[in-house]
Amino acid sequence: RKEVEQDPGPFNVPEGATVAFNCTYSNSASQSFFWYRQDCRKEPKLLMSVYSSGNEDGRFTAQLNRASQYISLLIRDSKLSDSATYLCVVNPQWGYNKLIFGAGTRLAVHP
Amino acid sequence: EAGVVQSPRYKIIEKKQPVAFWCNPISGHNTLYWYLQNLGQGPELLIRYENEEAVDDSQLPKDRFSAERLKGVDSTLKIQPAELGDSAVYLCASSLGTEVSYEQYFGPGTRLTVT
Repeated sequence: RKEVEQDPGPFNVPEGATVAFNCTYSNSASQSFFWYRQDCRKEPKLLMSVYSSGNEDGRFTAQLNRASQYISLLIRDSKLSDSATYLCVVNPQWGYNKLIFGAGTRLAVHP
Repeated sequence: EAGVVQSPRYKIIEKKQPVAFWCNPISGHNTLYWYLQNLGQGPELLIRYENEEAVDDSQLPKDRFSAERLKGVDSTLKIQPAELGDSAVYLCASSLGTEVSYEQYFGPGTRLTVT
């Protein structure tokens, strides 16, 4: 079983749609959680950290459920520029910056 | 502020040949990472440096891969000899320090094709 699992997609949605991505992780001791965005043939970039209480950044909302070992990302009012691969990332180890990436979920927003 | 710089951006070699990738991290970033990203997969850590010390190289295939970070700044990742399965994108990242609160910044990567 992979440490971080995501639905690969692709998710094809029209502009303005709301779309949700889910991710599960296997290590119950994992400490920190993130969503990264990766455009085609570009490097990954941090989109947002995921906090236990859930957090929002504009149109993006991240949720964490430690009991179910589940992370989600909700994108509201999708824009064409949101088209990218969204990587779920887990830090399984307290104390240092070790990132375990999921394979990513591809989003394509169309007019 | 300049980001993480990597070169070359693309490299095509024949199998059994050696290849080297270079990374210049963001100024002041003590921690440097090399990742491997296969098509359709997320990045996987190969090695992590704290200054010039390799503190986590457990995922580095040491029979053919080597890395160095002289003077704790630039780093080089080498493959010798390359195999067909090494075709992938090699990403370098850096962060201010080792704490998880420090964001990792990625370079544009080197896309390696082994023929």
